[in-house]
Amino acid sequence: EIVLTQSPGTLSLSPGETATLSCRASQSIKNNFLSWYQQKPGQAPRLLIYGVYHRATGIPDRFSGGGSGTDFTLTISRLGPEDFAVYYCEQYSDLPRTFGQGTKVEI
Amino acid sequence: QLVESGGGLVQPGGSLRLSCAASGLTFDRYWMHWVRQIPGKGLMWVGEIDSSGSTTNYADSVKGRFSIFRDNAKNMLYLQMNSLKVEDTAVYYCANLGAPTDYWGQGTQVTVSS
Repeated sequence: EIVLTQSPGTLSLSPGETATLSCRASQSIKNNFLSWYQQKPGQAPRLLIYGVYHRATGIPDRFSGGGSGTDFTLTISRLGPEDFAVYYCEQYSDLPRTFGQGTKVEI
Repeated sequence: QLVESGGGLVQPGGSLRLSCAASGLTFDRYWMHWVRQIPGKGLMWVGEIDSSGSTTNYADSVKGRFSIFRDNAKNMLYLQMNSLKVEDTAVYYCANLGAPTDYWGQGTQVTVSS
């Protein structure tokens, strides 16, 4: 299976700053089948980015995705209080679908 | 728009069936998935079923023990869990994992313990 490794584990930032999250795959992701999710405490995850760089419905342009092959990034510009959460990457290139272990963005 | 039910406490080796009721979406258009999460830990994809119910795929850790099926006439998704293990303890979500719009339930807790 494809193993996704996210870094860093925790990112400590202040409102207004930019967060850069990394997701590295153990093998190349075909067709750009990589997504990013946000999860807040007590809530289900929410899709932010699909196909590496396409924003999901209702997601502001402060969120952007990039990368190719095995290395991917999620960038969150101008952090707002609502952005402090855990972020997961997910690949749907091969079965089983797999998630990274998550990056916590904290104040 | 997705509401899970059926979670609870079960002994190791026991069985449980989770249900997921869909509303407000064209249920029979979507592949549907089950994803689980140990509280405070990460997400694990459990398995999927195609829109017609004819194709299923599972994570290796649940293959042969869990079954996913659906009733499109009732807008219902199910997860039948047999031979449960302590390590199956988690919150179970049903989701369509679709794009650009995804739908998730609120999750239902399954605890496997003697």
